Amino acid sequence: QLQLQESGPGLVKPSETLSLTCTVSGGSISSSSYYWGWIRQPPGKGLEWIGNGYYSGSSYYNPSLKSRVTISVDTSKNQFSLKLNSLTAADTAVYYCAGVHCSSTSCYYYYGMDVWGQGTTVTVSS
Amino acid sequence: EIVLTQSPGTLSLSPGERATLSCRASQSVGSNYLAWYQQKPGQAPRLLIYGASSRATGIPDRFSGSGSGTDFTLTISRLEPEDFAVYYCQRYGSSLLTFGGGTKVEIK
Repeated sequence: QLQLQESGPGLVKPSETLSLTCTVSGGSISSSSYYWGWIRQPPGKGLEWIGNGYYSGSSYYNPSLKSRVTISVDTSKNQFSLKLNSLTAADTAVYYCAGVHCSSTSCYYYYGMDVWGQGTTVTVSS
Repeated sequence: EIVLTQSPGTLSLSPGERATLSCRASQSVGSNYLAWYQQKPGQAPRLLIYGASSRATGIPDRFSGSGSGTDFTLTISRLEPEDFAVYYCQRYGSSLLTFGGGTKVEIK
């Protein structure tokens, strides 16, 4: 079955850019049934959706983060990535990647985020 | 932008009791697009319910979802020790996703 694994630095400096990668195994990232998402969780707080990417190149972002986020999908490596720039301490969080399961490209029916990575802790500090 | 409000913030119950968790949307949400997740400390969230009322693979039948429009409910019929956790509702719409603030179910 599908498995996801995040990778990237655990510590980044303020004003710099965070780059995380999620490797997909057990299935193809080019599936028409999945968007690929990033979610974060600040310490002691709830879940915040960051954005989704699709194998075709389309992407969708949380309006509150849109100006700082890029999500891309690399079908040759079966990976997708997150870039978040202009970091501040408020970006300190556990970052999760997840599979967003839909009935089709248009997501007429949403089956939920049914596969998750284990999460990676990112601290923004000088 | 649709906001999901979960209540109560914390639910204190004993094993064997029934838990009723609420998720209220600021605008109508299509039932196709409402999901529930469970998260335990130090773990990634786990999908419980999609389509407002369909259980995800491997989810015990003590978990059930219901509701439509702006009001949705997650019910745990008889709490097991492993059910004490935080629960989130989530909405998909117009290619965007939103989480509720969560309800913590704690042991009384």
